[in-house]
Parts: sequence; structure tokens; C-alpha cells
Amino acid sequence: GAGVSQSPRYKVAKRGQDVALRCDPISGHVSLFWYQQALGQGPEFLTYFQNEAQLDKSGLPSDRFFAERPEGSVSTLKIQRTQQEDSAVYLCASSLAPSGAYEQYFGPGTRLTVT
Amino acid sequence: DQQVKQNSPSLSVQEGRISILNCDYTNSMFDYFLWYKKYPAEGPTFLISISSIKDKNEDGRFTVFLNKSAKHLSLHIVPSQPGDSAVYFCAAPGGGADGLTFGKGTHLIIQP
Repeated sequence: GAGVSQSPRYKVAKRGQDVALRCDPISGHVSLFWYQQALGQGPEFLTYFQNEAQLDKSGLPSDRFFAERPEGSVSTLKIQRTQQEDSAVYLCASSLAPSGAYEQYFGPGTRLTVT
Repeated sequence: DQQVKQNSPSLSVQEGRISILNCDYTNSMFDYFLWYKKYPAEGPTFLISISSIKDKNEDGRFTVFLNKSAKHLSLHIVPSQPGDSAVYFCAAPGGGADGLTFGKGTHLIIQP
């Protein structure tokens, strides 16, 4: 069966540009998570959706980051006016469970480079 | 303040021997732990988990041990195989957010 997919896999943006990163979770998975992974670090939580509801956005680093999941399946993470410190791999994960407490299935990530 | 710590950035083990990866945590509210394995240019994949009501969970070559009093867990891989070369992350749900809290990872290198 299909796993979590993300697009694009690689994105180069000039400082100040807006970017949109897409995540297609596993069909039927209720929970969807976005993480940011800087070089040499573990993934860090950004935000969490249960179906279409964004229940936790405590990890978003600034108001330039915005995420949505309007129909409870595909999600988009948008970063406005990108800065160099936004350069990282952005990982999406989904889970059948209606919480963050258990096994999450990760996509391959989008590597964002801001120049 | 890191709530999940993996203090060894890398570990080199000979093929066939036992690999032991360590993880420490500071948040006593954590009651479930997961290990993820990550190859380059791929997302993390779930490996094994353990609930705080247990002190050991085994799945084939992989065993996770939990010492709650020491706030320490370890992942044992035996025998180690070349395909085990990857970055291993320890993680726990919670830590102030709804997602997983990850350690920084340990890069395991299996030498032939």
C-alpha cells in the first residue's frame, strides 16, 4: 500500500520567497503531523491535525509558518518570506490513532534550502 | 532543554556483534517510547516501542530495555548486520506538545 508522500522532495528558495510544501498521508489516517529537522538534529514538532482540525500549533517557530488540512486528508505547510534559518528537512507523518501518542508513519521529507 | 537525550552521536560495531544504543529522558511523565531508524534521504521508519509498564520488549533481532528509575532506555541489535547502518532516534509522545519528542539520534555504522 502507499505510504506517506511529500512534494516537492527538494526546494530551493531565495530569501523572502513564499513556499508551499505538500503532504499526502496514508489513506484513512486521522492524525497528521509536521516536523522540522535541522542538520544533525532530531525532528522537532511543528503542528498537529486531527482530521481537518489543527489541534496543536505550539511548535510553529513564527507567524510566517502556516499549515492547513482543509478536507482532513492532504495537508500543506506554507512558509512566508523565507529566511535562511528556515533551511531544513520538513517531515510529515500520519497516524491511524486520534492522538500523537503512538506509532507515526513518516514521509521522505522535503529538503528546503533558502539562499 | 532536551527532554530526550542521545549522548552518542555515532557508534561503530563489527558485523555479527551486538549494537547497544542508549537514550536518557528527563520528563517523568513519559510513559511510552519509540525507536525509529532513518536512512539518508528517507523519512524515519518505526522500529520498536515499549510501554512504561514493561521493562523489556523484543522483536526479532531488536530488544528495547527500559529502566524507569534511571530514566534510561537502550536498544539492542543482535547480531548486527550491514543493513542496520543508519541513524537511530529515540522518541516519546508528549513533552508539552501533541507530537513526538525526539533525541538527536545516533549514527550506527556496521563494519564488515
